[in-house]
Amino acid sequence: DAGVIQSPRHEVTEMGQEVTLRCKLISGHNSLFWYRQTMMRGLELLIYFNNNVPIDDSGMPEDRFSAKMPNASFSTLKIQPSEPRDSAVYFCASSLLGSASTEAFFGQGTRLTVV
Amino acid sequence: GENVEQHPSTLSVQEGDSAVIKCTYSDSASNYFPWYKQELGKRPQLIIDIRSNVGEKKDQRIAVTLNKTAKHFSLHITETQPEDSAVYFCAASGGTSYDKVIFGPGTSLSVIP
Repeated sequence: DAGVIQSPRHEVTEMGQEVTLRCKLISGHNSLFWYRQTMMRGLELLIYFNNNVPIDDSGMPEDRFSAKMPNASFSTLKIQPSEPRDSAVYFCASSLLGSASTEAFFGQGTRLTVV
Repeated sequence: GENVEQHPSTLSVQEGDSAVIKCTYSDSASNYFPWYKQELGKRPQLIIDIRSNVGEKKDQRIAVTLNKTAKHFSLHITETQPEDSAVYFCAASGGTSYDKVIFGPGTSLSVIP
């Protein structure tokens, strides 16, 4: 398995544009996390899915942010409209709920720059 | 919900010395405590974890201790090497957060050759 795959790796966009970040989970995993990392706030959990169902989205900063999991292996995080303060590295991570280890495996991250 | 605090935020040690990073958590029902290492420009990766039924766990130069009563857990790195330089995150999971993994703010460790 290639691990958690995120795309794109880098995204530069203008303020007001829509941004879509993509994540492919490790095959067989049933939990998906989206995190945002900045120097000021560290690793913030945005939203958490289990078996394709959003369990906790209390970390989603505003209505401009939305996340979906259309199937068991894929997720998107959308920002519309984007703002400069959204600039950060966005990580998704997957794990297998109910296994002996609940290790979260991270993707490479998407570095988003909103200008 | 769960809240994880971590200290210090930055730590510099001489090569060969030990480094200790401490974390506290708020949800007494949390039962899984992983530690992640993030090298510059890379993704966080698990280096060691401990469950609430264990007080200490060791893996070569790395050890983690857990005090459930005080809701404290710590990472100990002995005989530090320059390649240990990275940001280290503690995390807590389980309990009322179920499988949600909540991270501490991170500790930037620098090992000076």
